[in-house]
Amino acid sequence: GAVVSQHPSRVICKSGTSVKIECRSLDFQATTMFWYRQFPKQSLMLMATSNEGSKATYEQGVEKDKFLINHASLTLSTLTVTSAHPEDSSFYICSASAGNQPQHFGDGTRLSIL
Amino acid sequence: KNQVEQSPQSLIILEGKNCTLQCNYTVSPFSNLRWYKQDTGRGPVSLTIMTFSENTKSNGRYTATLDADTKQSSLHITASQLSDSASYICVVGGRGGGNKLTFGTGTQLKVEL
Repeated sequence: GAVVSQHPSRVICKSGTSVKIECRSLDFQATTMFWYRQFPKQSLMLMATSNEGSKATYEQGVEKDKFLINHASLTLSTLTVTSAHPEDSSFYICSASAGNQPQHFGDGTRLSIL
Repeated sequence: KNQVEQSPQSLIILEGKNCTLQCNYTVSPFSNLRWYKQDTGRGPVSLTIMTFSENTKSNGRYTATLDADTKQSSLHITASQLSDSASYICVVGGRGGGNKLTFGTGTQLKVEL
């Protein structure tokens, strides 16, 4: 089946640091990638949708300058949390899809800001 | 507003027992309904996907049903195992809108000896 790899799986860093998370589709070309955020015991919340080669579409309330998304190729998207603060600590999950095919999810990145 | 509601919020059952999880949705226009299993600290893994015309879909010990008229779905787990302990999330895909999904808050299932 389709595989989506997310790296790193866990990040612990100091406040003010910028953190980059990678999302790769390993065995298919992902025309669209999605970035989600999940707080404990809550559902996944869509942050942004990115199509290869174009700017990401952010959901209401998500700061574009805070969460930088790059989708440079059909197999790679990155999310950079700039100047991270403790309130940015969360579980970040990416997913990828080809056309209108179902989304396949990565295993998530646990971000902890001290 | 598109919404997906799940019940119960949490459930504890003994190993070997069956259980049924419920999902009600108000997503329109509807395209498909999916059930995912999410282990703690992991990403969601797809169990079943059903379109408007499908009433039931099975995947091993998991059987999902869909009633598009009443906008309800259920996930039945047969002969539960300890490894079934996880969060089960009902997700509805809307037609158009770039393949966006509406997520339920999940049912936290714990299977005990």
